[in-house]
Amino acid sequence: TQLLEQSPQFLSIQEGENLTVYCNSSSVFSSLQWYRQEPGEGPVLLVTVVTGGEVKKLKRLTFQFGDARKDSSLHITAAQPGDTGLYLCAGHTGKLIFGQGTTLQVKP
Amino acid sequence: GAVVSQHPSRVICKSGTSVKIECRSLDFQATTMFWYRQFPKQSLMLMATSNEGSKATYEQGVEKDKFLINHASLTLSTLTVTSAHPEDSSFYICSARWGQGTSTLHFGNGTRLTVT
Repeated sequence: TQLLEQSPQFLSIQEGENLTVYCNSSSVFSSLQWYRQEPGEGPVLLVTVVTGGEVKKLKRLTFQFGDARKDSSLHITAAQPGDTGLYLCAGHTGKLIFGQGTTLQVKP
Repeated sequence: GAVVSQHPSRVICKSGTSVKIECRSLDFQATTMFWYRQFPKQSLMLMATSNEGSKATYEQGVEKDKFLINHASLTLSTLTVTSAHPEDSSFYICSARWGQGTSTLHFGNGTRLTVT
């Protein structure tokens, strides 16, 4: 069974702080995605990383795919209350498998 | 962008009854649809994969006789929770894609099922 270990599972920080969420696996994925989900809604795709070592930026969010394509990280710079939500990494193996998720709370 | 519509968004049913949830792709033909289940503050757990015109493939531990999946057309898949019990209360989310491999998945907005 391919598992994605996501950490931390819960994170509560003050506005303006930086944070990093990690997604690790013992398996190699053809691609890895990061999603954000609001309560009562479906997940919304933030980014897809495909190439080992790839780095993508989306405003204050920086996503990195590990060289071996087994792990990824999401770094948020100067977090804002609007960043509050559930962040999910997901790996493609023909089907999409999700990590446990990171619940982020950014307090003003 | 592509839209996946899920209906109903919320449903309350009595224990022992069955509930059907629909997942429609509105502007593309979905060759594959996936059904997920999500408990509060937890991640999405894949329940089954359905391909149009064939039987669904269920993940380990998911009862296929309890969670009936039908993917009768390229734009519609249904999940029926049969003889629902309170422990089936959860957030059910479908996703759909066109093509094979790692083509983009489009998610519905989920269905909150409460079994009383």
